[in-house]
Amino acid sequence: EAGVAQSPRYKIIEKRQSVAFWCNPISGHATLYWYQQILGQGPKLLIQFQNNGVVDDSQLPKDRFSAERLKGVDSTLKIQPAKLEDSAVYLCASSSTSGGTDTQYFGPGTRLTVL
Amino acid sequence: AQKITQTQPGMFVQEKEAVTLDCTYDTSDPSYGLFWYKQPSSGEMIFLIYQGSYDQQNATEGRYSLNFQKARKSANLVISASQLGDSAMYFCAMREGTSRGSTLGRLYFGRGTQLTVWP
Repeated sequence: EAGVAQSPRYKIIEKRQSVAFWCNPISGHATLYWYQQILGQGPKLLIQFQNNGVVDDSQLPKDRFSAERLKGVDSTLKIQPAKLEDSAVYLCASSSTSGGTDTQYFGPGTRLTVL
Repeated sequence: AQKITQTQPGMFVQEKEAVTLDCTYDTSDPSYGLFWYKQPSSGEMIFLIYQGSYDQQNATEGRYSLNFQKARKSANLVISASQLGDSAMYFCAMREGTSRGSTLGRLYFGRGTQLTVWP
């Protein structure tokens, strides 16, 4: 079974530029998560999708971050415009259902550097 | 208040020895789940073990076991017979409201413990 796929693996941009990350969850997983992991910290949830609907986006900086999950499969996370403090690893995870005891499985992450 | 606290920034263990990584949590929800993940230098978070708040027995998965002490709100990870490949960052995480009907899947992570296994 293929794991969670993410691209690109690395991205370097200048502040005020825009950037997009892509995630393909494990086949059949209805729930998809985007986490931000700043160096030296644990991941922090940005947004959770259940199929193609948003369940939790309370920690998403909506003035610059946006995310979508069209057709309930792939997802894209966008930052526009980027700030220096957005430098982090962006992790995508998926689980077969939300809540309960379902384990979240993570992708390899995208390491973003904002100069 | 921090929901997950990992007080050991770094731990060192010799190969083939056992090691315990500490984790304490804070929640008022009676239903919750506790997870441990391993993050090698490659960056991917690898699921290791899960413990539910209502589970009567401590979880075990191969060389990993979870020492769950509910009254103390601790969920320490024990790795037996350490291997060089166990060197990585280890994260404890919690999800609240794991009972039926809950849709929120947010995981709260600690700051992690860097484990180094030496030969």
